[in-house]
Amino acid sequence: AQKITQTQPGMFVQEKEAVTLDCTYDTSDPSYGLFWYKQPSSGEMIFLIYQGSYDQQNATEGRYSLNFQKARKSANLVISASQLGDSAMYFCAIGSGGSEKLVFGKGMKLTVNP
Amino acid sequence: DAGVIQSPRHEVTEMGQEVTLRCKPISGHNSLFWYRQTMMRGLELLIYFNNNVPIDDSGMPEDRFSAKMPNASFSTLKIQPSEPRDSAVYFCASSLTARIQETQYFGPGTRLLVL
Repeated sequence: AQKITQTQPGMFVQEKEAVTLDCTYDTSDPSYGLFWYKQPSSGEMIFLIYQGSYDQQNATEGRYSLNFQKARKSANLVISASQLGDSAMYFCAIGSGGSEKLVFGKGMKLTVNP
Repeated sequence: DAGVIQSPRHEVTEMGQEVTLRCKPISGHNSLFWYRQTMMRGLELLIYFNNNVPIDDSGMPEDRFSAKMPNASFSTLKIQPSEPRDSAVYFCASSLTARIQETQYFGPGTRLLVL
């Protein structure tokens, strides 16, 4: 069974600074995908970035990048140049085992201060 | 392009009543997922469909919950009878194909409160 661990309950960062959100995962399947979603206070789940287990390079999407360390089973999200609008809950998720199912972590709250 | 559409956005009902949540996936997407989010349990997958066929309903809490997908553009999640512990945000998501690397796109959610 796959599992996602997000141990940081909350983080604070100053506007324009970079921040790293931690995510570790566990799966016995060699083929898997890792996803990050953002959930602002309005409640919707917004897809941010995807990393495949066989991808050679770390994924990047604008200000978002994924620090993928396969041996350590970590897939940390890096947000560069934080903006006030980045304040939200962030969820890491994994899909593996030949299934379309995603398993989500508990999430962590990021607050960007002006 | 329209995203995943869910209705209603908010639902308040009394214990014992039937509740029906509706979802329209993104056009052309072949997989549809129903999730429930609570503070205690986080985001849980209830059931998912591929090409309108239920593939895995192991997350459905009990017989009070049922889900259908009569066609590619519509799905319902029904709770009958509803109980206060069913209060949660229910999300519908869809993806283009049934591959693990396929991104799931979420609807805005339905906030359900059962009194």
